[in-house]
Amino acid sequence: AQSVAQPEDQVNVAEGNPLTVKCTYSVSGNPYLFWYVQYPNRGLQFLLKYITGDNLVKGSYGFEAEFNKSQTSFHLKKPSALVSDSALYFCAVRAYTPRGTYKYIFGTGTRLKVLA
Amino acid sequence: AAGVIQSPRHLIKEKRETATLKCYPISRHDTVYWYQQGPGQDPQFLISFYEKMQSDKGSIPDRFSAQQFSDYHSELNMSSLELGDSALYFCASSSPADTEAFFGQGTRLTVV
Repeated sequence: AQSVAQPEDQVNVAEGNPLTVKCTYSVSGNPYLFWYVQYPNRGLQFLLKYITGDNLVKGSYGFEAEFNKSQTSFHLKKPSALVSDSALYFCAVRAYTPRGTYKYIFGTGTRLKVLA
Repeated sequence: AAGVIQSPRHLIKEKRETATLKCYPISRHDTVYWYQQGPGQDPQFLISFYEKMQSDKGSIPDRFSAQQFSDYHSELNMSSLELGDSALYFCASSSPADTEAFFGQGTRLTVV
């Protein structure tokens, strides 16, 4: 079964410091991996994705993620955190269904708190 | 460009009532997904449609049903509502050209 895991329920970081939100995956075949962010009472906003190519992918709002095949990880990073980055972050994998279509499977989410 | 539109944004129903949630995908997106997010939880996949046919089913109760119409909008029908159905319900859509799904703002359903 295809899945993603986010080992940290919450990450605290001081404003201006680098941040990392961890994600590991378990997939058969080549993984399609995503990061989404959710602000309170809002929908999920797409941040970035890894499909193929460079292991370091850049996304919205200065975020980037590093794909590591040997460690089956896809950690979200930002060089300098902002208070406004405080939100709930979800890692996701696209999994194929028996009918040949696909669905998105989410991790349990990590709450990022950036302290002023 | 307009994103995924969900209506209503908020809905309050009593136990045992029925609710209908609507989703209007991004233009030319042929796949719609429904997710349920309980308080403090990750989004759980309910059901998806591709080209108006059900493509996959997740942890959707038998009391719930959904369909995708000829204009690609989708409706999630929920009957015999229970208190535990209170959650944020998201719809997402994607197209063959996109690898990511785009989510709507969600419908917050409160069952009292």
